[in-house]
Amino acid sequence: GENVEQHPSTLSVQEGDSAVIKCTYSDSASNYFPWYKQELGKRPQLIIDIRSNVGEKKDQRIAVTLNKTAKHFSLHITETQPEDSAVYFCAAYSGAGSYQLTFGKGTKLSVIP
Amino acid sequence: GAGVSQSPSNKVTEKGKDVELRCDPISGHTALYWYRQSLGQGLEFLIYFQGNSAPDKSGLPSDRFSAERTGGSVSTLTIQRTQQEDSAVYLCASSSSTFNSPLHFGNGTRLTVT
Repeated sequence: GENVEQHPSTLSVQEGDSAVIKCTYSDSASNYFPWYKQELGKRPQLIIDIRSNVGEKKDQRIAVTLNKTAKHFSLHITETQPEDSAVYFCAAYSGAGSYQLTFGKGTKLSVIP
Repeated sequence: GAGVSQSPSNKVTEKGKDVELRCDPISGHTALYWYRQSLGQGLEFLIYFQGNSAPDKSGLPSDRFSAERTGGSVSTLTIQRTQQEDSAVYLCASSSSTFNSPLHFGNGTRLTVT
């Protein structure tokens, strides 16, 4: 099955700086990679996703890049704000035709005002 | 529209008792997932249902755990003879029938086994 590794486990940045979270996956057939944000005590919510037919996707201050050859993808948050503080999870589907979504262990992002 | 609904939101039970957790997915979503999240940890896959296909039970940690989905809609996760290590938040999610569709999570059930 799919194995997703996520780094770093914790990340602290000053408000206004950028934050980058990286994930690697093992199944070369995986072709959908969502990112979820989970605030304390809340449910995970999708913030951005990318499919394997593109290398980069942006949505305002958030962007995701995908390198299928190297089997890694990254989340980039620019101009960070205190409300960006949360745990972020990357995920990957376990290959063609599979509905099992495997998550990384999460990155706790703290934005220091 | 209505999101994924889970009940109860909190459940405290004594070790050895059985518990049932309920999930009501978004209307029209054919895929339904259960995940477990221990305190400060990631999301551990338990089981998923897709339409009328046989469920993928590969994530269930022991035979004390089971789940069913009646009529392709509501799902119940049952934990028999609960143990303290079962304490966690149990999250349900649903997605549309389109392959590689986003998951929409419920607010979870916080289970505490005393």
